[in-house]
Amino acid sequence: SYVLTQPPSVSVAPGKTARITCGGNNIGSQSVHWYQQKPGQAPVLVIYYDSGRPSGIPERFSGSSSGNTATLTISRVEAGDEADYYCQVWGSSSDHPPFGTGTKVTVL
Amino acid sequence: EVQLVESGGGLVQPGRSLRLSCAASGFTFDDYAMHWVRQAPGKGLEWVSGISWNSDSIGYADSVKGRFTISRDNAKNSLYLQMNSLRAEDTALYYCAKDSGSGWTYFQHWGQGTLVTVSS
Repeated sequence: SYVLTQPPSVSVAPGKTARITCGGNNIGSQSVHWYQQKPGQAPVLVIYYDSGRPSGIPERFSGSSSGNTATLTISRVEAGDEADYYCQVWGSSSDHPPFGTGTKVTVL
Repeated sequence: EVQLVESGGGLVQPGRSLRLSCAASGFTFDDYAMHWVRQAPGKGLEWVSGISWNSDSIGYADSVKGRFTISRDNAKNSLYLQMNSLRAEDTALYYCAKDSGSGWTYFQHWGQGTLVTVSS
């Protein structure tokens, strides 16, 4: 099965930039999607197809993917960005859409 | 506005069955694939099952294959998950999720979830 590895936690000061990585074998050849989940809430899509941003998601959220790593970048971090973030891939080589292990973003 | 409302969760003994439902509104239901995703307490997200717009394509996670059955009723704008032979490890919050397309792409919208607790 395809394994997606994320750092368990990332801490960032308000106004700074947070980068959350998602590691997977040749993930750059797959389409990567990202979800934000705040405590007690359902996940919300924040990035689709590597770098697409759904309506209503701030421009501060951006995504990229290359080689074995995909990255979700949150610029000018705000207290409201504190949440768990999950990457997800549904490549042609798998019938199962694996999620990453999840990263807890803490705003200092 | 897309709305997905899950129901049917509850406390059930190991080995018993439960049927989850998801009522969809705010979009043309039979244009989209649908999924169930679960989250055990304090754990990450796990895809459980997905079904294409016309039910021609269905998939299951290995952990539930042979025990769970996904189905949909496009006339009723509803998605279902029949869960048999439940185990303690099936305890989780079960989310209904709308795909972005008729096949399987990504989870564009999510419901608020229904809690399933498997315990004696």
